[in-house]
Amino acid sequence: DTGVSQDPRHKITKRGQNVTFRCDPISEHNRLYWYRQTLGQGPEFLTYFQNEAQLEKSRLLSDRFSAERPKGSFSTLEIQRTEQGDSAMYLCASSSWTSVVYRNEQFFGPGTRLTVL
Amino acid sequence: KQEVTQIPAALSVPEGENLVLNCSFTDSAIYNLQWFRQDPGKGLTSLLLIQSSQREQTSGRLNASLDKSSGRSTLYIAASQPGDSATYLCAVSLNQGGKLIFGQGTELSVKP
Repeated sequence: DTGVSQDPRHKITKRGQNVTFRCDPISEHNRLYWYRQTLGQGPEFLTYFQNEAQLEKSRLLSDRFSAERPKGSFSTLEIQRTEQGDSAMYLCASSSWTSVVYRNEQFFGPGTRLTVL
Repeated sequence: KQEVTQIPAALSVPEGENLVLNCSFTDSAIYNLQWFRQDPGKGLTSLLLIQSSQREQTSGRLNASLDKSSGRSTLYIAASQPGDSATYLCAVSLNQGGKLIFGQGTELSVKP
């Protein structure tokens, strides 16, 4: 079990540029979540997938944000036309969910810190 | 709308002290509650998960309790150590496999 991994760990970009982050979940986990965390706050939910299906999106996820999980394994989060307000830590988590498993404990990756200049 | 609150926002204690961190939530219809630890600039480490049907969970020096009817959870840390210094976050899930709703965290500092 190698844990959840995220790439890159840090990203500095200029306002208006597009950025893409990648998340690799724990291998047997079928659910994958994206959260955003700003300094001094708890993480806020963005979206989540079960296998390749996107099941829920937060209103925080504006039209500039898009997430995919094309083969039900890794996921990408793209931000188009970045704004300074997008500067935050982007966290990915995964869990193993079935109708007979009730724990659904979420395990988090190290995060990608985005700075928009 | 579910809201999660953690008090205090920051706590400083001398090494060896037992301490309690508090978490409250507004809607008692939760599915489970997780406590996490976060070191500066790092991701979250899961500490304990309590199902809605459970009252407490223990792991080493950590004990988490849950009182759904009053909308409260506590994280008890026994014999605190400087290595326990971190931000502790609680989060609730409203349904199976769903999103977590987080509190703002308690920043703990344990002084040698």
